[in-house]
Amino acid sequence: AQSVAQPEDQVNVAEGNPLTVKCTYSVSGNPYLFWYVQYPNRGLQFLLKYITGDNLVKGSYGFEAEFNKSQTSFHLKKPSALVSDSALYFCAVSPGYSSASKIIFGSGTRLSIRP
Amino acid sequence: DAGVIQSPRHEVTEMGQEVTLRCKPISGHNSLFWYRQTMMRGLELLIYFNNNVPIDDSGMPEDRFSAKMPNASFSTLKIQPSEPRDSAVYFCASSLGAGQYSYEQYFGPGTRLTVT
Repeated sequence: AQSVAQPEDQVNVAEGNPLTVKCTYSVSGNPYLFWYVQYPNRGLQFLLKYITGDNLVKGSYGFEAEFNKSQTSFHLKKPSALVSDSALYFCAVSPGYSSASKIIFGSGTRLSIRP
Repeated sequence: DAGVIQSPRHEVTEMGQEVTLRCKPISGHNSLFWYRQTMMRGLELLIYFNNNVPIDDSGMPEDRFSAKMPNASFSTLKIQPSEPRDSAVYFCASSLGAGQYSYEQYFGPGTRLTVT
């Protein structure tokens, strides 16, 4: 069965330090993987995606994510955190193009950046 | 582009009443999604349309929920009758392309529904 896990409900990082938000998945076939960010009282905003190709994907606001097939992970990273990065982050997975494809979102990780 | 537009932004209603949520997707997008977000259940996909046709409604919780997309620029999600457990934030999202889930989705601001 298809699933996605974000093992940390909350991640706390000091401003200027690197950050990592973890995501692991389980899906048959080649996955499509996404990261979205949600600010308070707003809809989700797309950050980046992996479909195929280079395992390191760069996205908006200086974020990047690395697709690791052997570890079935797609962790979100940023070299230097900003207070404005504080938000709720969602990983999402789809098993690729298929009439039966269904996208599933993780439970979300709240990222808190302290000044 | 104005992005995905949802109305109303807030809705407070009494149990048993009919509720209609509205969505205008981004022009040119041919896929539309309705989601529900709660603290307990997180983000749930309710229904997905492609080219105005419902493709997957397996996430619709029960027969009280219905969704329509009469044309490419408008969709509704209706709850009749509403119940307190329907209280949630409902998001509409749209995306480009025929491949169902390889394209990123653009979310509206959501409708916060409270059923008393």
